[in-house]
Amino acid sequence: AQSVTQLDSQVPVFEEAPVELRCNYSSSVSVYLFWYVQYPNQGLQLLLKYLSGSTLVKGINGFEAEFNKSQTSFHLRKPSVHISDTAEYFCAVSYPNSGGYQKVTFGIGTKLQVIP
Amino acid sequence: EPEVTQTPSHQVTQMGQEVILRCVPISNHLYFYWYRQILGQKVEFLVSFYNNEISEKSEIFDDQFSVERPDGSNFTLKIRSTKLEDSAMYFCASSEVGGHEQFFGPGTRLTVL
Repeated sequence: AQSVTQLDSQVPVFEEAPVELRCNYSSSVSVYLFWYVQYPNQGLQLLLKYLSGSTLVKGINGFEAEFNKSQTSFHLRKPSVHISDTAEYFCAVSYPNSGGYQKVTFGIGTKLQVIP
Repeated sequence: EPEVTQTPSHQVTQMGQEVILRCVPISNHLYFYWYRQILGQKVEFLVSFYNNEISEKSEIFDDQFSVERPDGSNFTLKIRSTKLEDSAMYFCASSEVGGHEQFFGPGTRLTVL
């Protein structure tokens, strides 16, 4: 079984400061890793994904994440946040299976609050 | 850019009533999913669907729930007799054969009174 841990439920950060949102996962097989963002009263938008290859992946809105297999982590970072980044961020994992579909397992989410 | 759409955006119903949540997946996708997010909690997998049958379902997906692809474009989630605890945001998602990513719809907020 796979699981996702987001250690920080809320992260306040001042505008233009850097931010890191932490995500650790556990799985007995290779996984695909994702970060989704959810703005208030909206759906889930994919920020970035790691499938294979380079461990540093870049996403939309200036976000990036680094896959660390030895630490089973996939932390999300942004060098300088903007007020508009205030949202909830979900780390998620899935893995391919013989059925050809994936079941995405989400973390509990981290609320990023950018302070002016 | 193709996207998953869901209707309605918000559904209010009385406890014990049946509700049907509708989704239009991306047209060339063949795998379909429903997820649920209770307010303040994480997004949880409910069910996956392929080739007109359920591939996998979670323990949440009990006999009160059913899914159907009634035509070539829609994918529905039916809750037969709603309970207060069914109040949540319901997300539909779809993926293509061999794809690695699920594309999520905007969600339907279900409120059971």
